[in-house]
Amino acid sequence: AQKVTQAQTEISVVEKEDVTLDCVYETRDTTYYLFWYKQPPSGELVFLIRRNSFDEQNEISGRYSWNFQKSTSSFNFTITASQVVDSAVYFCALIVSGNTPLVFGKGTRLSVIA
Amino acid sequence: DVKVTQSSRYLVKRTGEKVFLECVQDMDHENMFWYRQDPGLGLRLIYFSYDVKMKEKGDIPEGYSVSREKKERFSLILESASTNQTSMYLCASWTDSYEQYFGPGTRLTVT
Repeated sequence: AQKVTQAQTEISVVEKEDVTLDCVYETRDTTYYLFWYKQPPSGELVFLIRRNSFDEQNEISGRYSWNFQKSTSSFNFTITASQVVDSAVYFCALIVSGNTPLVFGKGTRLSVIA
Repeated sequence: DVKVTQSSRYLVKRTGEKVFLECVQDMDHENMFWYRQDPGLGLRLIYFSYDVKMKEKGDIPEGYSVSREKKERFSLILESASTNQTSMYLCASWTDSYEQYFGPGTRLTVT
């Protein structure tokens, strides 16, 4: 069975600080995809990134970066120079190939204080 | 852009009522999902469907049923609403490459 753990329930940072959200996953499958979603106060989940298990390259998109390490089964998300608009709940998720649904972590609530 | 719409953003129902939550997607996706989201519990899968007329139970199907008569529409049914079904309900559909798109959510209160 698959499992995603986001150990940080809530994080609070001051604007312009860097912050890393941790995600640890468990699966016995060798082919899988990892995701990050953002849920702002409006409630709608916004897709941020998808990474497949064969691509361990780190990815950077503006102030966002993701570090995928199969050796530690982690897919961590870093926001550089955080802004108040980054305040949201962030979910990490996992899917293995085939007709199986996404497995979500319980989310990390990030509060960025001005 | 993919669009997933849900029939209501907020809904208040009484205990024992039959409740229908509708979800429609406009991108011809085969796969559709219903989740509920509760504080501290994250998103939990209720039901999913990989094809019209086909449905599979998720992690917490008790007290719910679903209907998928047309590809674009996936309905969640609470046969007899109870207070413990007060929650945020999220519908999603996804592409063959597993990009999952969510609707805006329905916040259901059962009194």
